[in-house]
Amino acid sequence: GAVVSQHPSRVICKSGTSVKIECRSLDFQATTMFWYRQFPKQSLMLMATSNEGSKATYEQGVEKDKFLINHASLTLSTLTVTSAHPEDSSFYICSAPVRSTEAFFGQGTRLTVV
Amino acid sequence: DAKTTQPPSMDCAEGRAANLPCNHSTISGNEYVYWYRQIHSQGPQYIIHGLKNNETNEMASLIITEDRKSSTLILPHATLRDTAVYYCIVSPLSGGYQKVTFGIGTKLQVIP
Repeated sequence: GAVVSQHPSRVICKSGTSVKIECRSLDFQATTMFWYRQFPKQSLMLMATSNEGSKATYEQGVEKDKFLINHASLTLSTLTVTSAHPEDSSFYICSAPVRSTEAFFGQGTRLTVV
Repeated sequence: DAKTTQPPSMDCAEGRAANLPCNHSTISGNEYVYWYRQIHSQGPQYIIHGLKNNETNEMASLIITEDRKSSTLILPHATLRDTAVYYCIVSPLSGGYQKVTFGIGTKLQVIP
């Protein structure tokens, strides 16, 4: 089956620094990828839609200047959390659809900002 | 504006069938029923989807009522590894890629 790989799986960073999370589709091309955030004991919240070759589309309330998304190729999307603060600590998950609604998800990245 | 309603939690004995219900009384004619699950600290995993006919794959069976207002996901022989949060989602198949929007889901605990 289709595989989506996310890296790193865990990261700890200091407050004020930036962190980049990569999402790769390993055996298929993904012109669209989705980025989610999940706080403890809550459901996944969609942050943005990443589109290859064009600007990302952000959900309401998500700061596009804080969460930079780059979809530079058909197999790679990156999410950069800029000037991270403790409240940005969360579980970040990417997904790539393989059919119009069926999606495969990365294993997630646990970000801790100290 | 929840499109689906699921019980927040369920228990199931190991080896028994796990039947997870979902209500989607406002489902439209072009909307499919999808099920995903999320094991703790992992990304969600696609399980199965259907429109109006019952569906079965190697992971589970999906039973959709004739009026399509509810469905049941069946794990025929639950194992401890099936302990997860199960999400029922309705989504149209109208072309292009659709966002998967998650609700609260049902936390299934499989008990030894």
